[in-house]
Amino acid sequence: AQSVTQLGSHVSVSEGALVLLRCNYSSSVPPYLFWYVQYPNQGLQLLLKYTSAATLVKGINGFEAEFKKSETSFHLTKPSAHMSDAAEYFCAVSDGWHTGRRALTFGSGTRLQVQP
Amino acid sequence: EAGVTQFPSHSVIEKGQTVTLRCDPISGHDNLYWYRRVMGKEIKFLLHFVKESKQDESGMPNNRFLAERTGGTYSTLKVQPAELEDSGVYFCASSQGEGGEQYFGPGTRLTVT
Repeated sequence: AQSVTQLGSHVSVSEGALVLLRCNYSSSVPPYLFWYVQYPNQGLQLLLKYTSAATLVKGINGFEAEFKKSETSFHLTKPSAHMSDAAEYFCAVSDGWHTGRRALTFGSGTRLQVQP
Repeated sequence: EAGVTQFPSHSVIEKGQTVTLRCDPISGHDNLYWYRRVMGKEIKFLLHFVKESKQDESGMPNNRFLAERTGGTYSTLKVQPAELEDSGVYFCASSQGEGGEQYFGPGTRLTVT
């Protein structure tokens, strides 16, 4: 069975500081990995995804994530935080590309606060 | 292009009542998914439609939940009778084809009192 652990339910950074949101996964097969963001009163929006190509994945809004198989991690980073980055971020895993199952398994989410 | 829409945005009902949530996927998307997030916990998968057929309903919690997708367009999720533990945010998502990205709606916040 697959699972996702996001370390830190709340992360606070200063504007202009590095953003690092942690995600570790467990999967019995090579996974596909995703980061979603939810802004207030909106649906989840895909930031980026890893689908077994390049291990460093670049997404929208300056975010990127690196797949590290040895550490079973897929941490999300952004070099310089902006006030507009304040939102809740979800890491998700899927093994559906190997099993035909399309369901995403999500972590519990990390709420990012950006201080001026 | 319109995104995934969900109705209502909020619903407050009493325990034992019935509620029906609606999801309109992006036009042309064959895949439709229901997820829910209970009490600030992780978002959990409920079920997956391909057109009008239930492809995977392994996440449905019990038989008080009934999902339909008549004609392969919009979908409804009925909870009957509602229990307190059903409170949470119900998300719908849709995708196109085998490997398409799942696009999520804004969710319906259900409160059972």
